[in-house]
Amino acid sequence: GAGVSQSPSNKVTEKGKDVELRCDPISGHTALYWYRQRLGQGLEFLIYFQGNSAPDKSGLPSDRFSAERTGESVSTLTIQRTQQEDSAVYLCASSPRATLHSPLHFGNGTRLTVT
Amino acid sequence: SQKIEQNSEALNIQEGKTATLTCNYTNYSPAYLQWYRQDPGRGPVFLLLIRENEKEKRKERLKVTFDTTLKQSLFHITASQPADSATYLCAPDPGGNQGGKLIFGQGTELSVKP
Repeated sequence: GAGVSQSPSNKVTEKGKDVELRCDPISGHTALYWYRQRLGQGLEFLIYFQGNSAPDKSGLPSDRFSAERTGESVSTLTIQRTQQEDSAVYLCASSPRATLHSPLHFGNGTRLTVT
Repeated sequence: SQKIEQNSEALNIQEGKTATLTCNYTNYSPAYLQWYRQDPGRGPVFLLLIRENEKEKRKERLKVTFDTTLKQSLFHITASQPADSATYLCAPDPGGNQGGKLIFGQGTELSVKP
């Protein structure tokens, strides 16, 4: 079956513009995560959705970042007024997470470059 | 605060040798610990999960240990191959009712030379 799909795969934007990144999780996966990975760095947790529960937004770095998820399907991560420091790969993952140790299935990310 | 430490320096080994990667954590009481592999330009891929009551878990050439007293997990690749070259990430998983977010270590880059 299809894995986690992210679009676009690459995005170049000018500083100050807004961007929207999309994640299509694996069908039936109740949990969805967003991570940021700067060049040569580890994964930085951003936000976590689990079913209809309130999302865990504790990793969002500023109020310029927001994310939405419609039910148990598509999620969008929005970055407003982009800054050069926002340049990174944004990774989405989904998981059955019916039990809290279910593995995460990652997409290949969106590479964002802010010029 | 919670902290996860993996070997920050790249690990270079010869083909056929055993690679050992370390994951140490503090201020965590994980019920599980997960290991992932990440290749350049790709998302991480799940490899193995070990539970706190398991001392050791094996899958083909991979072996993971989990010492909750030392707060450490070791990840071994035996008979390593150049195709094993990648970055390996650990993620202590609280499980239970401690929330669902999964935090990853910085990863250790492994390079296996032929």
